[in-house]
Amino acid sequence: QKEVEQDPGPLSVPEGAIVSLNCTYSNSAFQYFMWYRQYSRKGPELLMYTYSSGNKEDGRFTAQVDKSSKYISLFIRDSQPSDSATYLCAMSVVHGGSQGNLIFGKGTKLSVKP
Amino acid sequence: DAGITQSPRYKITETGRQVTLMCHQTWSHSYMFWYRQDLGHGLRLIYYSAAADITDKGEVPDGYVVSRSKTENFPLTLESATRSQTSVYFCASRGNGNQPQHFGDGTRLSIL
Repeated sequence: QKEVEQDPGPLSVPEGAIVSLNCTYSNSAFQYFMWYRQYSRKGPELLMYTYSSGNKEDGRFTAQVDKSSKYISLFIRDSQPSDSATYLCAMSVVHGGSQGNLIFGKGTKLSVKP
Repeated sequence: DAGITQSPRYKITETGRQVTLMCHQTWSHSYMFWYRQDLGHGLRLIYYSAAADITDKGEVPDGYVVSRSKTENFPLTLESATRSQTSVYFCASRGNGNQPQHFGDGTRLSIL
């Protein structure tokens, strides 16, 4: 079993929909959780970064962490065509040294239709 | 403009050839990373470096060599390229402590 599981999609939604993207993980030592957005032929860019369980909101984006269930989510409200991209979850045990290296999910490809 | 740049953006070469991918960052970040991204596998860590002259293997290091003589540069060399190394390669960097990784825009490498 891979450490981080993420449904690759593709996921297609109409403009204005609420999008839910999810990852599960098996290593209970993971403490830092990130979501990256990757547009076609570009590098991943950091979208959200959380440390603790609970919710973190930034504009239309909400990151949710449930450490007891080993489950993280990214919600996108009022989705726009410009949100069409691949979304990667990533996590690490600590934030320093070799243990600070990130483990990535395989990414979910999202398409928002006008 | 500050950032992380990779070169070349696209490269086609033949099996058995040596090829070097370049990565340069202007943030003076301590940590630098090389990943490959393949369909069905996602991003996998090849090598990383915690500082100049300090490098270590990641998940898939076989067939690759890195060096870090200067903080800002982290070249990746395929000494004898194989078709299985056809991939998109990303370089990333981050600062010390509670800092996220920032990625370059990648090098798309095809080995014929």
